[in-house]
Amino acid sequence: DTAVSQTPKYLVTQMGNDKSIKCEQNLGHDTMYWYKQDSKKFLKIMFSYNNKELIINETVPNRFSPKSPDKAHLNLHINSLELGDSAVYFCASSLGQEKFFGPGTRLTVL
Amino acid sequence: GENVEQHPSTLSVQEGDSAVIKCTYSDSASNYFPWYKQELGKRPQLIIDIRSNVGEKKDQRIAVTLNKTAKHFSLHITETQPEDSAVYFCAASNRNSGYSTLTFGKGTMLLVSP
Repeated sequence: DTAVSQTPKYLVTQMGNDKSIKCEQNLGHDTMYWYKQDSKKFLKIMFSYNNKELIINETVPNRFSPKSPDKAHLNLHINSLELGDSAVYFCASSLGQEKFFGPGTRLTVL
Repeated sequence: GENVEQHPSTLSVQEGDSAVIKCTYSDSASNYFPWYKQELGKRPQLIIDIRSNVGEKKDQRIAVTLNKTAKHFSLHITETQPEDSAVYFCAASNRNSGYSTLTFGKGTMLLVSP
């Protein structure tokens, strides 16, 4: 299946831990994104990478560090997790302006 | 930066009625306006989009209108069905330097009662 995939789907962890979320797209898209969806369903851009290069970094704490080993992958590493980091994180990719979202990773910080 | 306002935040209709969701945007350089549908626990999925050179677009029961002068755009769903129940997001995008940023509205929860 051609798609945007993310792992894991659910992530439950303790405050202070470090965790990573992986994203892969096999659509041949140049640009990949991370969005955060909070409990009120608001979707907010966090990062955008174009051809492995960071092009957007919204006001996100530097505990969040994206890494793009190649055009098809954009991983998100989070250090020292806090309660407020609990949310659904969506990866997305685009070639032009149309964006395709991954299935989301529900992160719960206890 | 771009700011997208979306109304209403919740909308309840009877099956068969029409539903209208409205959005406004602030950046006159925005040129692409997609609408996403997100069912409970699922990913946002593109249902229709419109570009700034077009005033209206229709796809079966769904239509979008765009008024560039007033900077607002709307989603119209006719003959609503229970499976239309979901959260709908409008968004605005401005292609810049080969990539585009997409700013979302806060979403409208549509509930269609049988």
